[in-house]
Amino acid sequence: DIQLTQSPSSLSASVGDRVTVTCQASQDIRYYLNWYQQKPGKAPKLLIYDASILERGAPSRFSGGGSGTDFTFTISSLQPEDVGTYFCQQFHNHPPTFGGGTRVEIK
Amino acid sequence: QVQLQESGPGLVKPSETLSLTCSVSGDSMRSGYWNWIRQSPGETLEWIGYIYYSGSTHHNPSLKSRITLSIDTSNSQFSLKLNSVTAADTAVYYCARSPQGSSAFGDWGQGTLVIVSS
Repeated sequence: DIQLTQSPSSLSASVGDRVTVTCQASQDIRYYLNWYQQKPGKAPKLLIYDASILERGAPSRFSGGGSGTDFTFTISSLQPEDVGTYFCQQFHNHPPTFGGGTRVEIK
Repeated sequence: QVQLQESGPGLVKPSETLSLTCSVSGDSMRSGYWNWIRQSPGETLEWIGYIYYSGSTHHNPSLKSRITLSIDTSNSQFSLKLNSVTAADTAVYYCARSPQGSSAFGDWGQGTLVIVSS
C-alpha cells in the first residue's frame, strides 16, 4: 500500500495566518491526491481533488499543489471555521489510502 | 444533491457479523462508485471497498476475506457485511460516493458508530 505522511500532525495559528500542510507519498502518485477537512463529529468534506483543483463550493482560501511524491495544502488566511483535521488521500494505486491527518487549531 | 445515510446496529458481539446499509437519495445509483470507509477512534481513515451499480466490487486486501458488498439499485441502497469482527473493528463507518470519472470521495453519509463488545 502507498503510505502518506502528513506534517505537521498538529498546528496552532492565528486568524489571518497562512497555514501550510505537507503530504509525502511513499511512491510516485502523479497528481492523484485529494484533501479533506473533517470537523469534530462530522464526516470528512472534500476540498481539493487531483492535487490542485478546488471542489465546487469550497472557499477560495484553500489551495493545493505538488505532484509525484510531495504535496502541499494551504489556507491563505486562516478563519475560525477552519478549525478541524485535514487529511490527504491518494487514489493512484489500490487500495486508496489516507494520511494520518493534521489538526488545525486557532491560537 | 445526493444524500447518503448509514443504518445498522451500533453494537456487535465479537466473532459475529457487522451489517450496515447505506440509503441513497437525490441521484441515480449509476452515478458513481459506492464506498465504505471507516475511522477508528482517534485514528485516520481506512477505505474498506466499493461496489458499482453493476455489482462489481473492489475490496481492501487487508479486509477482503471478511467483506461482502451488495447493492440493491431498485431500492437505492448498498450494504456492507464484515464477518468475524473483533474489537479492532470498532469504528465510525461511513458510506461515500466517488462520482463517475473522479478519484475523490465527494459525498459522504454522516457516519455510524459500531462498537464491537460482548
